[in-house]
Amino acid sequence: QKEVEQDPGPLSVPEGAIVSLNCTYSNSAFQYFMWYRQYSRKGPELLMYTYSSGNKEDGRFTAQVDKSSKYISLFIRDSQPSDSATYLCAMKTGGGADGLTFGKGTHLIIQP
Amino acid sequence: DAGVIQSPRHEVTEMGQEVTLRCKPISGHDYLFWYRQTMMRGLELLIYFNNNVPIDDSGMPEDRFSAKMPNASFSTLKIQPSEPRDSAVYFCASSLAPRDLIPRITDTQYFGPGTRLTVL
Repeated sequence: QKEVEQDPGPLSVPEGAIVSLNCTYSNSAFQYFMWYRQYSRKGPELLMYTYSSGNKEDGRFTAQVDKSSKYISLFIRDSQPSDSATYLCAMKTGGGADGLTFGKGTHLIIQP
Repeated sequence: DAGVIQSPRHEVTEMGQEVTLRCKPISGHDYLFWYRQTMMRGLELLIYFNNNVPIDDSGMPEDRFSAKMPNASFSTLKIQPSEPRDSAVYFCASSLAPRDLIPRITDTQYFGPGTRLTVL
């Protein structure tokens, strides 16, 4: 079993819909969780960074962590065509500058 | 700030040739990471450095891969000899050293545009 599982999609939704993206993980030592967005032929860029369980909101984006279920989510409200990209979850065990463990990414398509 | 700079952006080579990928991290960043991305395996950490010293190279697939960081503003990832299965996008990322355990956007890793390597 891979440490981090993420449905590759593609996930196609109409503009304005609420999008839910998810990852599950097996290593209970993970405490720091991130979501990156990657446009085609570009490097990943950080969207959200959270610690332990709970919610964090930033504009149209909400990150949710449930450590008891080893499950993290990213919600996108009022989705826009410009949100079309691959979304990667990433996580690490410590607060130091460690290497990240990534999911494979979910390809999201927002239909105009 | 120019961000993380990688060169070349594209590299096509033949099996058995030596390949050198280059990275310039964001000025002032203490950490530098090399990742590889493929459709099959996703994004995987190869090696990372702190203040130019390799900290963890457990992700380097085999002895054909080597990485160096001779100074704070430059790193290389070398593959010798290259094989078709090395075809992937190679990313370099850099970050600051965290001041504490509170997650801050500024502490996390900033990625370069990647080098797309094709080994024929």
